[in-house]
Amino acid sequence: KQEVTQIPAALSVPEGENLVLNCSFTDSAIYNLQWFRQDPGKGLTSLLLIQSSQREQTSGRLNASLDKSSGRSTLYIAASQPGDSATYLCAVAPGDTDKLIFGTGTRLQVFP
Amino acid sequence: DAGVTQSPTHLIKTRGQQVTLRCSPKSGHDTVSWYQQALGQGPQFIFQYYEEEERQRGNFPDRFSGHQFPNYSSELNVNALLLGDSALYLCASSFGTGWTDTQYFGPGTRLTVL
Repeated sequence: KQEVTQIPAALSVPEGENLVLNCSFTDSAIYNLQWFRQDPGKGLTSLLLIQSSQREQTSGRLNASLDKSSGRSTLYIAASQPGDSATYLCAVAPGDTDKLIFGTGTRLQVFP
Repeated sequence: DAGVTQSPTHLIKTRGQQVTLRCSPKSGHDTVSWYQQALGQGPQFIFQYYEEEERQRGNFPDRFSGHQFPNYSSELNVNALLLGDSALYLCASSFGTGWTDTQYFGPGTRLTVL
């Protein structure tokens, strides 16, 4: 059974810091991995999608890496801003179903 | 181009009642998935509809049922509501059933069961 874990559960940093969010999954047989952002009480916004054959994806100040063999992904946020404050969710698409399996998220607060 | 829309935004029901939530997919999308997100948790997959049929189902009881219409919009029905059904219900749409496209999520419906 695929399980997704995110560490840390919460993070509070001053503006300008570079930070890393971690995601681990137990079964390496995945189609892809996505990182989402969720603002309080809102839906999900997809940030980055990494196909199983890829190692990383970049979008602006965000960079996500994927190491399938070790079951790990990291989301790197450069020069954090207060507007980055949100919950970040990692999700994998397992190889044998069409559903997404999510971690419980990392709640990020960036203070001025 | 409208994204995924869901209605209503908020809903309050009492135990034992029935509820229907609605979702319209992003233009050009034909697949709809439903997720339940309890407070402080990640979303959990309920089921997916494609070509008006339920294709995949997560670990949810039969009280949870759905429907997809010819215009690809979808409904989620929950019968005999329990307190534990209180959650944010998210709808996601995509094109086809492959995993090369990003899923687009709606803003969700917040269901409170008293």
